[in-house]
Amino acid sequence: EAGVAQSPRYKIIEKRQSVAFWCNPISGHATLYWYQQILGQGPKLLIQFQNNGVVDDSQLPKDRFSAERLKGVDSTLKIQPAKLEDSAVYLCASSLEGGLGAEAFFGQGTRLTVV
Amino acid sequence: GNSVTQMEGPVTLSEEAFLTINCTYTATGYPSLFWYVQYPGEGLQLLLKATKADDKGSNKGFEATYRKETTSFHLEKGSVQVSDSAVYFCALSDHNQGGKLIFGQGTELSVKP
Repeated sequence: EAGVAQSPRYKIIEKRQSVAFWCNPISGHATLYWYQQILGQGPKLLIQFQNNGVVDDSQLPKDRFSAERLKGVDSTLKIQPAKLEDSAVYLCASSLEGGLGAEAFFGQGTRLTVV
Repeated sequence: GNSVTQMEGPVTLSEEAFLTINCTYTATGYPSLFWYVQYPGEGLQLLLKATKADDKGSNKGFEATYRKETTSFHLEKGSVQVSDSAVYFCALSDHNQGGKLIFGQGTELSVKP
């Protein structure tokens, strides 16, 4: 089966510019996650969707980050305006259902460099 | 709040050596515990998991036992191979938090021939 697809793989932008990332989860997976992984750290959840509703966005910097999940399938994550500290790998993951013990499948990530 | 702490890396071993990567957690409820692995140039993938106390997860020769009394989930392998070189992440998901994963900082393993 096809895995979680993300694009682009790499992006370099200047601070204060905007950027968007796209994610296509595994077909049939109701739960979609966006994680931020700063170099040398573990991934940190930014936002979790269940179908097209938000379950948890408590760690999302809402003044500059936004995310949506259209029709409960694809998702986009946007940063506007970007700051230097947003340089990280942005990981999208999906699971059949969100819940205790559910396995999350990860995409390869988008590496963002803000200069 | 919930958290995961892993031993710092990098860890460098010779082929066929015994591996232990320590992981301890703090959780308010009864979490599920996971080890994820990230091979060079690839995405994170689940290595093994355990969903309740005393459960042992195993895969590809790796094992970890959910120890509630010591709040630990240490990863072990009896004989590592060069192909095991990767970054290993311990993680938990809590019943009360919708399945989101909370990760440790990762431990880089390098296995030399």
